[in-house]
Amino acid sequence: QVQLVQSGAEVKKPGASVKVSCKASGYTFTNYDINWVRQATGQGLEWMGWMNPHTGNTGSAQKFQGRLTMTRDTSITTAYMELSSLRSEDTAVYYCARSRYGDFVPWGQGTLVTVSS
Amino acid sequence: DIVMTQSPDSLAVSLGERATISCKSSQSVFYSSDNRNSLAWYQQRPGQPPKLLIYWASIRESGVPDRFIGSGSGTDFTLTITSLQAEDVAVYYCQQYYDSLFSFGPGTKVDIK
Repeated sequence: QVQLVQSGAEVKKPGASVKVSCKASGYTFTNYDINWVRQATGQGLEWMGWMNPHTGNTGSAQKFQGRLTMTRDTSITTAYMELSSLRSEDTAVYYCARSRYGDFVPWGQGTLVTVSS
Repeated sequence: DIVMTQSPDSLAVSLGERATISCKSSQSVFYSSDNRNSLAWYQQRPGQPPKLLIYWASIRESGVPDRFIGSGSGTDFTLTITSLQAEDVAVYYCQQYYDSLFSFGPGTKVDIK
């Protein structure tokens, strides 16, 4: 079955970077974009950006431009999201999701990133 | 950028009764070339990732019960749960995928009255 499995929880200090992985299985990895969405505790869903695993092309919400890097390793069908210059407001659960027509299915299980001094 | 709004913020409905959630986009998400609205609905239960319910505004994802109905076009959309079940307690989000800068609504929390 189509599945996305993310890496485990992270604790980072302000100013550091975090890199979250998203391992895809059950489909042809390069045929579908991977998106990243985050959710602070008790808050809504915030779309961050997309990556085309075939070309490596990316696009992101303006608020993350300059801090967000999305990459992939097609040999192991894994996508990565790196967020730099972390601040406390970046504490959230980060999800990867496969984009079908633009709708997201399935989603990864989520990765909690805590930014604390 | 397209801004999505939802109403109400929360609602409580008796078991077996109807729940209706509204979603509005700041510009039309209708593709005239395809005759489709680029609008999806998700359900998020506590502690779980979101789950796709509806895409193209009205097509149920495989395995989604038929009590979930998506409707609307252009800028105004509705998710209806025709007969609320206990397992439907969740937050529901709409999402537009009209342009490459996707966006979600703020969510509507559905509880049992």
